[in-house]
Amino acid sequence: EVQLVESGGGLVHPGGSLRLSCAASGLTFSNYWMHWVRQVPGMGLVWVSRIRGDGADSNYADSVKGRFTISRDNAKNTMYLQMNSLRPEDTAVYYCARDVVLGSGSLDGWGQGTLVTVSS
Amino acid sequence: QSALTQPASVSGSPGQWITISCTGTSSDVGAYNYVSWFQQHPGKAPKLMIYEVSNRPSGVSDRFSGSKSGNTASLAISGLQPEDEADYYCSSYTHRSINTVIFGGGTKVTVL
Repeated sequence: EVQLVESGGGLVHPGGSLRLSCAASGLTFSNYWMHWVRQVPGMGLVWVSRIRGDGADSNYADSVKGRFTISRDNAKNTMYLQMNSLRPEDTAVYYCARDVVLGSGSLDGWGQGTLVTVSS
Repeated sequence: QSALTQPASVSGSPGQWITISCTGTSSDVGAYNYVSWFQQHPGKAPKLMIYEVSNRPSGVSDRFSGSKSGNTASLAISGLQPEDEADYYCSSYTHRSINTVIFGGGTKVTVL
C-alpha cells in the first residue's frame, strides 16, 4: 500500500522560509513523478509543483515560481519543497501526491497534508 | 492562471444519476486526454476517482464514470448514495503555462 507522509509545516513570519518533506513507502519511488498541491482550508485545490522521477525536470505554478524549490532524494524515498519569501497567501494545507501517468496530474495516492501558516 | 470551471453545487436523491461538468479551454481539457476527478470528504485528503478522462483506478466503484467533449469534461455518478456526498474536483494537464496542472474550483455534491 502506498503511503505518503508530509511533515515540516508550521507557523512562519512573512518573508520567512520553511522546508516541507514528503516521505514515501510502498512504491518504487524513483519511478514516479511527484507533485505538491495546496489547499486553503474551506477552499479548492491548487497545484503547486511537480518533479520527475529522476529529479531532472520540474515545474512550478506561476504564483510560487522563483520562491519555491522542489527536490527529491530517491535514496531516502523523500521529496521536499523549499519555500522561501513566504507570503500570507501561501497559508494552506500542503499535500504531496504520486502521479501514475507521466506527470499528467493523475494523482493516485495523497498524504494527509501539512499546514503552513504565514502570519506575523 | 484561472481554474477550470465547475458548478458550485449539484444535488440529487439517493439512487439518482447526477453529472458534474468541468469546462476548460483548448489549452487544457480540449488539448489532452489527461483529465482527472477527485473526491474529497471534509477533513480528508483527496481521492482519485477518474484519470485519463474515463479510467477508474482499482477499487473505485463503477457507479463513477468520466467523459469529455471538446473543452468540457464530465463526471457522472449513478445510483447516488449517501457516502457520495463530498466535494469533487477536476484537473487537467495544461500548456497555458509551461507543462503544468490546473484544477477546477470544486463542486459540492449533496445527497438529499
